[in-house]
Amino acid sequence: GENVEQHPSTLSVQEGDSAVIKCTYSDSASNYFPWYKQELGKRPQLIIDIRSNVGEKKDQRIAVTLNKTAKHFSLHITETQPEDSAVYFCAASVMFSGGYNKLIFGAGTRLAVHP
Amino acid sequence: EAQVTQNPRYLITVTGKKLTVTCSQNMNHEYMSWYRQDPGLGLRQIYYSMNVEVTDKGDVPEGYKVSRKEKRNFPLILESPSPNQTSLYFCASSFRPGGNQPQHFGDGTRLSIL
Repeated sequence: GENVEQHPSTLSVQEGDSAVIKCTYSDSASNYFPWYKQELGKRPQLIIDIRSNVGEKKDQRIAVTLNKTAKHFSLHITETQPEDSAVYFCAASVMFSGGYNKLIFGAGTRLAVHP
Repeated sequence: EAQVTQNPRYLITVTGKKLTVTCSQNMNHEYMSWYRQDPGLGLRQIYYSMNVEVTDKGDVPEGYKVSRKEKRNFPLILESPSPNQTSLYFCASSFRPGGNQPQHFGDGTRLSIL
């Protein structure tokens, strides 16, 4: 079936460094790629998303890049801060019969930012 | 405040005792779904609903039931819970059906089945 692979599963960085999380997807028809941040004990919250007609999107210290040919997309966090510590999930939309599509999530990356 | 509300937040129960987790959204969203979150497996969809009285299975529907009698509510029912259903559950909603819309998640329900 369709799947989304996410790497690394854990990432530890020093405050101020950059962090990069990568995801690959299998459905070439996927056209929506959101990223969610989940702080400990909290709900997943959308932090940035990108659609297939765009190669890159940036929001302050967060950026997402998409390579449709290679079927991978990445989350880039610059100037990391301790409050960036969380689990990050990528997701990709997949199409099913009847025109319905849904999100398939990666397994998550636990990011730790050390002061 | 726009939100998705789940209850209860925590529940410890025993095998076989029927339970219901409620989910309600106040954003007039058409699409609602249930996910379970397990370590190393991310979020897996259990059931989804495209609109009132329209529900369908997700990736891991075994042992669960849902209903959508009203647009705002989407309860998750475990008729005969088993220990392998111990997990963290999230309800989510979006304005339009499908997977190409931002999902709004509830705060989660941690279920422990003994």
